[in-house]
Amino acid sequence: QKEVEQDPGPLSVPEGAIVSLNCTYSNSAFQYFMWYRQYSRKGPELLMYTYSSGNKEDGRFTAQVDKSSKYISLFIRDSQPSDSATYLCAMRVVGSGGYNKLIFGAGTRLAVHP
Amino acid sequence: NAGVTQTPKFRVLKTGQSMTLLCAQDMNHEYMYWYRQDPGMGLRLIHYSVGEGTTAKGEVPDGYNVSRLKKQNFLLGLESAAPSQTSVYFCASRPLGTSNTEAFFGQGTRLTVV
Repeated sequence: QKEVEQDPGPLSVPEGAIVSLNCTYSNSAFQYFMWYRQYSRKGPELLMYTYSSGNKEDGRFTAQVDKSSKYISLFIRDSQPSDSATYLCAMRVVGSGGYNKLIFGAGTRLAVHP
Repeated sequence: NAGVTQTPKFRVLKTGQSMTLLCAQDMNHEYMYWYRQDPGMGLRLIHYSVGEGTTAKGEVPDGYNVSRLKKQNFLLGLESAAPSQTSVYFCASRPLGTSNTEAFFGQGTRLTVV
């Protein structure tokens, strides 16, 4: 079983829709929870990160973490065609060598059509 | 302001050949990571490093070696390439610290092993 599970999609929505992206995880040692956005043939870029359970809002984006359920979500309001990308959840944990490492989900491909 | 630069961007290898991928960052970051990205698998950690001369294994280290002789460079080596190593390889870096979680990614190296 993967440490981080994420539905790869694809997810296709009309412009203006509310999008919900989700990940589940199994390791309770995960500390920070992040969402990266990756456009086609580009490297991932950090979108949002959060540490504790609860919601964090940034413009049209809201990140939600439920540590008790080991479940994180990213909501996109008023989705735009420019939001079309792959969204990867990521979590930070201390590795066996004592160093921090980032573990990623499979990524969900989102298409927002006009 | 280059950020993270990967060399080369594309490469085709024959089975059994060797090659080295170079990652260079100009942000004075302590952490550097090598990931591979395959369809439906997301980003999987190969090796990572917390500083010069210090490396650690990730999730999928077999068939790869790394070296961090200088803080700004992280090399990924394939001693005897196999078709299963066909993938897109991403390098990332981030600073040391408990609160700063953003990892900066390069543009990727597309490797095909035939």
